[in-house]
Amino acid sequence: AQSVSQHNHHVILSEAASLELGCNYSYGGTVNLFWYVQYPGQHLQLLLKYFSGDPLVKGIKGFEAEFIKSKFSFNLRKPSVQWSDTAEYFCAVRSARQLTFGSGTQLTVLP
Amino acid sequence: DSGVTQTPKHLITATGQRVTLRCSPRSGDLSVYWYQQSLDQGLQFLIQYYNGEERAKGNILERFSAQQFPDLHSELNLSSLELGDSALYFCASSVEGQGHGNTIYFGEGSWLTVV
Repeated sequence: AQSVSQHNHHVILSEAASLELGCNYSYGGTVNLFWYVQYPGQHLQLLLKYFSGDPLVKGIKGFEAEFIKSKFSFNLRKPSVQWSDTAEYFCAVRSARQLTFGSGTQLTVLP
Repeated sequence: DSGVTQTPKHLITATGQRVTLRCSPRSGDLSVYWYQQSLDQGLQFLIQYYNGEERAKGNILERFSAQQFPDLHSELNLSSLELGDSALYFCASSVEGQGHGNTIYFGEGSWLTVV
């Protein structure tokens, strides 16, 4: 069975700080990787995705993530966060026909 | 707008009752997924349907059931409701059948409050 771990449950940063959210998964086969974001009171939105090719993927709003196959990781990064980035971030791994989510990381950006 | 439509957006009901949540997938998407997001459990996969057939089952209680109709819309039925069933229920859809790399798009969710 596949699983996804997000190590940070709650991250608090000041505006302009750099962000890195960790995501590790366990599954031996081919995977697709996703980061979803859920802004307060809203639905899940796709932030970025990795299917194949360049392991460094760029998403919306200045976010990027790097797939490191040897470490089973797909960490999310942003060089300079904004107050509007306050949201919950979910890492997800897809293998075969199931999408498994991590438990989420709540990011709070202080103005 | 993801193209996935869920109704109702909010629902308040009493314990012991039964409710039905409805989902219309994006045009052309054959797969429908249901997820439950509660405060203490995070995002939990419930069930997936593909072109009318159940394809995968996750942590779905026996009191819950779902189906996908010929027009590809799906319904999630929750019965004998308990206070702990209060959660945000997400529907999602994807194309499927066109290779491994399919993105799943989420609806806005249905807020269920059991009182």
